Amino acid sequence: DTGVSQDPRHKITKRGQNVTFRCDPISEHNRLYWYRQTLGQGPEFLTYFQNEAQLEKSRLLSDRFSAERPKGSFSTLEIQRTEQGDSAMYLCASSSQGANEKLFFGSGTQLSVL
Amino acid sequence: AQSVAQPEDQVNVAEGNPLTVKCTYSVSGNPYLFWYVQYPNRGLQFLLKYITGDNLVKGSYGFEAEFNKSQTSFHLKKPSALVSDSALYFCAVRDISRDDKIIFGKGTRLHILP
Repeated sequence: DTGVSQDPRHKITKRGQNVTFRCDPISEHNRLYWYRQTLGQGPEFLTYFQNEAQLEKSRLLSDRFSAERPKGSFSTLEIQRTEQGDSAMYLCASSSQGANEKLFFGSGTQLSVL
Repeated sequence: AQSVAQPEDQVNVAEGNPLTVKCTYSVSGNPYLFWYVQYPNRGLQFLLKYITGDNLVKGSYGFEAEFNKSQTSFHLKKPSALVSDSALYFCAVRDISRDDKIIFGKGTRLHILP
């Protein structure tokens, strides 16, 4: 169990640019979640996958956000035409299901849009 | 739709006193319930969960939580607070009857006063 890895740890970009984040979950976990967190607030659900299938995307999420998990392993989250309001910590978490179910979180990617 | 609420933004407790952090939830079926803690500049750490079985669940660092189905609550408790318990606490829920996603409350900041 090497834990959930996220890359990069920090990303600074200019408004209007596209950014992509990567998440490598714990290998045996079939569920992968993306959340967004701002300072002092709870994780806000963005989307989640079971294996390679995207089960749900938050209705609050604009079409500028897209996520993939092409082979049911790592996942990418892309934000197109970034806006200053996109500045936040983007968290990835993975889990198995059933009696052992619990989310393991990565360290997150801190996005700053200038 | 499922939801989770943490009615207190902040809880202040004197060191050595018992503490309670409140959480209520709403699901259409049966819930999985979780508590996570976040220390300053750190990632989210799992504390405990209720899946099934005993209503009183014990977790890390001496914390416990009681599942109350009639009151739809899952309050976090500790008999004797430590200054080092000061952190952000998040309650989370998943409606397993609908095989729904895991969503988080907005969080409660716990201050333990020396």
